[in-house]
Amino acid sequence: EPEVTQTPSHQVTQMGQEVILRCVPISNHLYFYWYRQILGQKVEFLVSFYNNEISEKSEIFDDQFSVERPDGSNFTLKIRSTKLEDSAMYFCASSDEGTYSNQPQHFGDGTRLSIL
Amino acid sequence: GQNIDQPTEMTATEGAIVQINCTYQTSGFNGLFWYQQHAGEAPTFLSYNVLDGLEEKGRFSSFLSRSKGYSYLLLKELQMKDSASYLCAVRDRDTDKLIFGTGTRLQVFP
Repeated sequence: EPEVTQTPSHQVTQMGQEVILRCVPISNHLYFYWYRQILGQKVEFLVSFYNNEISEKSEIFDDQFSVERPDGSNFTLKIRSTKLEDSAMYFCASSDEGTYSNQPQHFGDGTRLSIL
Repeated sequence: GQNIDQPTEMTATEGAIVQINCTYQTSGFNGLFWYQQHAGEAPTFLSYNVLDGLEEKGRFSSFLSRSKGYSYLLLKELQMKDSASYLCAVRDRDTDKLIFGTGTRLQVFP
């Protein structure tokens, strides 16, 4: 069964450094998302992406965050200058249809980001 | 505002039936999803409801009442591997973002 893949599985970075989290969505999917989950807390929406542009972003997704689809297969999340509170599990998700669909978002295994 | 409530923890015995409730108050509604999440792993899709009523899928069923802002996930013939967190998520009406509850951690005992 096709799946969303994320790399790396664990990233340790010094505060203030830039980090890029990578995702390969399911190949025929058109809608892409990033969510994060701080340890012990709920999954939170960050951003959705469709047709090479951001569809919606949350309050968490400030100027330090950006997303890109550099080619036909990858979808990346960049944090420009990391803060301690950015430490979390970051999940990429994709779906083949959007708002009015019964198709679920499929999640990758996540990247655990630890900021020191 | 957006608010999704689920019990924090539940326990059950192998072979039993358990019902996990979810109530929601959101500014818009376009479907409710249930996901299973094992510790340290990705959420995996279990079920979807957009109309009132019961959706059955093997050992798992999910129910929705839009007028009451209420859903439940029913797990039958519990197995040890069903020990996990169960996440209730509402899809926003105007976008396709998912708004998650805090999840219910289910422990199944022999």
